Amino acid sequence: QLQLQESGPGLVKPSETLSLTCTVSGGSISSTPYYWGWIRQPPGKGLEWIGTIYKGGVIYQNPSLRSRITMSVDSSKNQFSLKLTSMTAADAAVYYCASQNWNFEESYWGRGTLITVSS
Amino acid sequence: DIQVTQSPSAMSASVGDRVTITCRTSQGVSSDLAWFQQKPGTAPKRLIYSISSLQSGVPSRFGGSGSGTEFTLTISSLQPEDFATYYCLQHNSHSWTFGQGTKVEIK
Repeated sequence: QLQLQESGPGLVKPSETLSLTCTVSGGSISSTPYYWGWIRQPPGKGLEWIGTIYKGGVIYQNPSLRSRITMSVDSSKNQFSLKLTSMTAADAAVYYCASQNWNFEESYWGRGTLITVSS
Repeated sequence: DIQVTQSPSAMSASVGDRVTITCRTSQGVSSDLAWFQQKPGTAPKRLIYSISSLQSGVPSRFGGSGSGTEFTLTISSLQPEDFATYYCLQHNSHSWTFGQGTKVEIK
């Protein structure tokens, strides 16, 4: 069973770039048939899909965030990451990393990391 | 992009009640529809995948149904531990969309 753990700065200044990492344990990123992705949830609001990395490195992203997102996988560290540029108060949220197989029969989420945007 | 409309946004119900939550998608999503439960301060937990397949360990009072563009989550007899927020998720065409959420509160 996979376990995922997000890590990040907690606090980001407006206009700066957010960098988050998700560390995977219990399985290898390079050998498991899973997709790797990010979801966020502003305080008191609903869930928003950010993007997903599919097998072979194909990446699909939320159109509303696409111009600001960079996603990547580092198989040597068993991690995947998210960078979100030009942060504003609207980007303050709990950021979750998640992994699932093609039909969500298997689905694993991290516990989430709260990102605050403030100068 | 596929839009998802979930209803109701909130509801009050009593223990033992039958609860129905609906998600409508703007176009067909095949069987790429899942349901999640989220309790305060915790990550969402997947209850159902592929419209109606129950995740192992999820009580049988939870059920999913639907096809095409209309899908339903039913809780046949609401229990105290079921008070939470529920989200549907469509993951068709490599682009995901969550429903707006339904908060189930105690009446």
